[in-house]
This record gives sequence, C-alpha cells and structure tokens, in this order.
Amino acid sequence: ETGVTQSPTHLIKTRGQQVTLRCSSQSGHNTVSWYQQALGQGPQFIFQYYREEENGRGNFPPRFSGLQFPNYSSELNVNALELDDSALYLCASSLSPSLNEQFFGPGTRLTVL
Amino acid sequence: ELKVEQNPLFLSMQEGKNYTIYCNYSTTSDRLYWYRQDPGKSLESLFVLLSNGAVKQEGRLMASLDTKARLSTLHITAAVHDLSATYFCAVDPGNQFYFGTGTSLTVIP
Repeated sequence: ETGVTQSPTHLIKTRGQQVTLRCSSQSGHNTVSWYQQALGQGPQFIFQYYREEENGRGNFPPRFSGLQFPNYSSELNVNALELDDSALYLCASSLSPSLNEQFFGPGTRLTVL
Repeated sequence: ELKVEQNPLFLSMQEGKNYTIYCNYSTTSDRLYWYRQDPGKSLESLFVLLSNGAVKQEGRLMASLDTKARLSTLHITAAVHDLSATYFCAVDPGNQFYFGTGTSLTVIP
C-alpha cells in the first residue's frame, strides 16, 4: 500500500509568482485535504476535495485554488505569492469525507522571497 | 470561531517522569485525533478517539476523550528522550480538521 506522496519537497519562489504543488493520495482514498502550516503553528485547513469537487474551504483567499483528478491525486495552486505564504504545505488523504481519519504526506516546504 | 487550545505550549521534562497534555475545544465533536510532528517533518497519527470516554494506549502514551467537557488528554508515562516532538490534537466537527496550537515536548536525559 502506497502512502501519501507530495512533490516537490522544497520550492523557492519570489513574490508575485505562481506555484503548483502536487499530491498523490493513499491507495483507495478518494478525499484529499490541503493544509498550510506556518513555522511554529498548527496546520490550517485550506480546502478539501472529494471526487473531483471542492467539499469545504477554510479562510483562505481565492488565489489559493485546487484540483482533484479522476485518480484522486490533487494540486494546490497559489497565485500572486506573498511573503506570508512561506510555509509547509501538507496534503492529507482519507477514505471519505465522513470517515475522516487523515493520513498526511511529507509536505512541501515553500519559501517566498 | 472554533478554538482548539492545548496546554502547555512548551513542556520540558526529565526522563522517567510523568506528565499530561491537555486539549480543550470549543465545539461539539465526537472525534478527536492526536498527532506527533518531529522538526521539519510531517504529521504522524498517534490516536483516533471516536466516542465519549474513549481511551487508547500505545507504549508510554495514553489518550482519553471527554466529549461532554470538550477535553482530551495525552498522558506520558516514564518519559524517554525519543518522545521529544511537537504534539497536536485536532477535532473534526464536520469535513475539516481544526488543529490545536501544539505542545512542544522536550525530554531531558
């Protein structure tokens, strides 16, 4: 059984640029959630995708957007990067939105200069 | 606004000692999760608590849930250095997790 994978591991961007982060869910999981974890803080929910549709969104601006593909992998896109977007971005997958034990990927460390 | 608060935020304890981390939350939730995070790493699932009165133990860690008090505890017995990490609780009142503030634990030899 393959766990949750994310790419890239690290990324450095400059303010105003756009970035795409990728996540492959654990085998059999159709629900993917994305979190932002700033240094020294707990993860903050960005949004969740279930069967290719957004299924809930946290308090993040529209420049944070996502996609889920038929194989349940997912992308997180961030436009017009700001310095405060520097964080660890975590992807988590679960069997369904209601069976919500989540399994986290290793994360992508994004640095915005 | 839903709040999940952990106490203490920082904990330094000697090897062999016992201690409890507390997690209070402000909404109705029958599901609570504990995670461990090592520096620069992702979250490792420790416990899943799915009902009032649930108690789970793994090695030197034991977690409990009181949904009426909206309180979960993570008890550490006879701490060892390998337990040094940040511990997060998270509640799931719907389709998203709300994480606590985290407790940074350092076990001193």
